[in-house]
Amino acid sequence: NAGVTQTPKFRVLKTGQSMTLLCAQDMNHEYMYWYRQDPGMGLRLIHYSVGEGTTAKGEVPDGYNVSRLKKQNFLLGLESAAPSQTSVYFCASSSTRTGTKDEQYFGPGTRLTVT
Amino acid sequence: DAKTTQPPSMDCAEGRAANLPCNHSTISGNEYVYWYRQIHSQGPQYIIHGLKNNETNEMASLIITEDRKSSTLILPHATLRDTAVYYCIVRVAHKAAGNKLTFGGGTRVLVKP
Repeated sequence: NAGVTQTPKFRVLKTGQSMTLLCAQDMNHEYMYWYRQDPGMGLRLIHYSVGEGTTAKGEVPDGYNVSRLKKQNFLLGLESAAPSQTSVYFCASSSTRTGTKDEQYFGPGTRLTVT
Repeated sequence: DAKTTQPPSMDCAEGRAANLPCNHSTISGNEYVYWYRQIHSQGPQYIIHGLKNNETNEMASLIITEDRKSSTLILPHATLRDTAVYYCIVRVAHKAAGNKLTFGGGTRVLVKP
């Protein structure tokens, strides 16, 4: 049981390039999330999904797109990267099953630098 | 979700109890108090949560005041591995709301030998 995994772990992009971050979970969780964390700050929610085929905007969605084609995967896309998107990106998932603590399980993060 | 206020940092001695305060004076009746921690460079980790009763698990205890306007996370015997940023989060425990979390700045806890 790997939990939540993220690919890649590190990436350097030039301004204007595009990329996709992949998040995978093997816990059969319904909800998945993408956060970003800038130095010295707390995490901020970018987008989230409450089920396969559904996505919703979080606190800071501009410049990002997401897709949830399979229940176990949640993709975060940057169409035209900007230096302001330099950050550490965390994916998380949580269950909706009755009796659970509704806690989120986080991946190890992807460190992205845009030059 | 209600806003929380935490001290930016605190130190504690290894082996002693660490008491981390959190104010959430605008909490609503259907909002829970959740605590997460983030060890350097890792993803946050769930610690404990509660509604109005005190809670205890293998990691920590959560004490919520009777008026629910504040709470304290207690790490009973702090170890060096407890050095982390601790986040107090208030959120509606309604599954239709997506179980979303709003992180503040947290408290940076340094456990000293």
